[in-house]
Amino acid sequence: SQQGEEDPQALSIQEGENATMNCSYKTSINNLQWYRQNSGRGLVHLILIRSNEREKHSGRLRVTLDTSKKSSSLLITASRAADTASYFCAPESGSARQLTFGSGTQLTVLP
Amino acid sequence: GAVVSQHPSRVICKSGTSVKIECRSLDFQATTMFWYRQFPKQSLMLMATSNEGSKATYEQGVEKDKFLINHASLTLSTLTVTSAHPEDSSFYICSANIAGGATDTQYFGPGTRLTVL
Repeated sequence: SQQGEEDPQALSIQEGENATMNCSYKTSINNLQWYRQNSGRGLVHLILIRSNEREKHSGRLRVTLDTSKKSSSLLITASRAADTASYFCAPESGSARQLTFGSGTQLTVLP
Repeated sequence: GAVVSQHPSRVICKSGTSVKIECRSLDFQATTMFWYRQFPKQSLMLMATSNEGSKATYEQGVEKDKFLINHASLTLSTLTVTSAHPEDSSFYICSANIAGGATDTQYFGPGTRLTVL
C-alpha cells in the first residue's frame, strides 16, 4: 500500500505558533499532495510537490520532500484559528494517478 | 480554479433503496474521476477509479454490483449505491484530474453524506 501516514495524529497549538506535520510513505511516487478537510466537508488542495522537488512554498505553507527517507513535512507558519482542520498527505503513484490517504493530523489552533 | 460539485450534499434513505450520487467537473473536463468513502474521523478510502467511456476499476473489497459507477461524459460521473443498508452510511467524496492538464492536482468535491435508516 502506498498509504501516506501522518504524524502526529493530533496537534494543538496557540495562534501565532508554527505547526509541523509529517508524512511517511512506502514506495516510489509521482508526487505528493497535501490537503485539508474541515469537519464534514470535502478536501481542499493545499500544495503538490513533485518527486524531483525538495521544497515548495505557498503563502504560509512550506512543504518538504525527502524521497530517500520517503517522507514529507508540512509547515504552517503563524497559525490562525481558521487553520483548525484535519490535514492529509496523499502520495500519488502509478499511471492511474491514484492517491492514497493516511488517517490525517487533526490540528487545533487555539485563539 | 477547478471546481468539482457533488449532488446531493446529503441524503437519507430507507434500507433497501438505491441512491445515486453525481459528481461533476464544472469548468474542466475529466477523463478520470475517483470515488472515495470516509467514515467518521477516519481516512478516505479509494473505492474505484471512474474512466470516461469505459468500465470503472474497483479497489479490492469493493463490490462493483453494489456500487455502480457510470462515467458517461467528460464532466459527469455517477455512483449508485444499490440496495443500501445502514452499513453503507458514510461520507462519499469524488475527485477529478484535469484531462490533459499540466497539473497532477486532484480536485475534490464537497462530499455527500449518506444515511441509511
